[in-house]
Amino acid sequence: SQQGEEDPQALSIQEGENATMNCSYKTSINNLQWYRQNSGRGLVHLILIRSNEREKHSGRLRVTLDTSKKSSSLLITASRAADTASYFCATPTVTGANSKLTFGKGITLSVRP
Amino acid sequence: DAGVIQSPRHEVTEMGQEVTLRCKPISGHNSLFWYRQTMMRGLELLIYFNNNVPIDDSGMPEDRFSAKMPNASFSTLKIQPSEPRDSAVYFCASSLGWGTNYGYTFGSGTRLTVV
Repeated sequence: SQQGEEDPQALSIQEGENATMNCSYKTSINNLQWYRQNSGRGLVHLILIRSNEREKHSGRLRVTLDTSKKSSSLLITASRAADTASYFCATPTVTGANSKLTFGKGITLSVRP
Repeated sequence: DAGVIQSPRHEVTEMGQEVTLRCKPISGHNSLFWYRQTMMRGLELLIYFNNNVPIDDSGMPEDRFSAKMPNASFSTLKIQPSEPRDSAVYFCASSLGWGTNYGYTFGSGTRLTVV
């Protein structure tokens, strides 16, 4: 399976601190995506990083991808209470000519005011 | 755009009843996905469509589940008969283009409770 596995499962930090979340996967991918899910809501797409990219930024988010280690990290800088949510990495699972996103179990981030 | 619209938001039904979940994808998106989320199993892909054609239904748990996409702006997921173990949050998502080259936009989900 190419399912990403996130680490840690849960993270609790103080507002203003940085949060680093990791994702490992098993087989070669052409891209990796990160999503956020607030309690009781649907998932929101954050960033897509392609296999030929090493780093990507979006506001306070920084995503890295190391294809040699088959791992990615999501860094949220200067965290806010509103960043409290579950974060998922998603990787393509390819079957023939078709591909679909497979999600990990997610990381629960709590940001204390 | 209003995003991906799912209805109903919540559904409580008795075991054995038929349940129909509805989804309106974002206009112009070519792919539509149905996922199920539970604490135990996380997010599972049930089925996905491309240009209204079912591409992969290998995640559909059993024959009690069926999905249709009669046109580019509407899809349904039906469970008949429903069982308590079907209780979960069901998400519909859509994406521009084929496969996984674009991010998915998720709806707010339908929380299904089968008693």
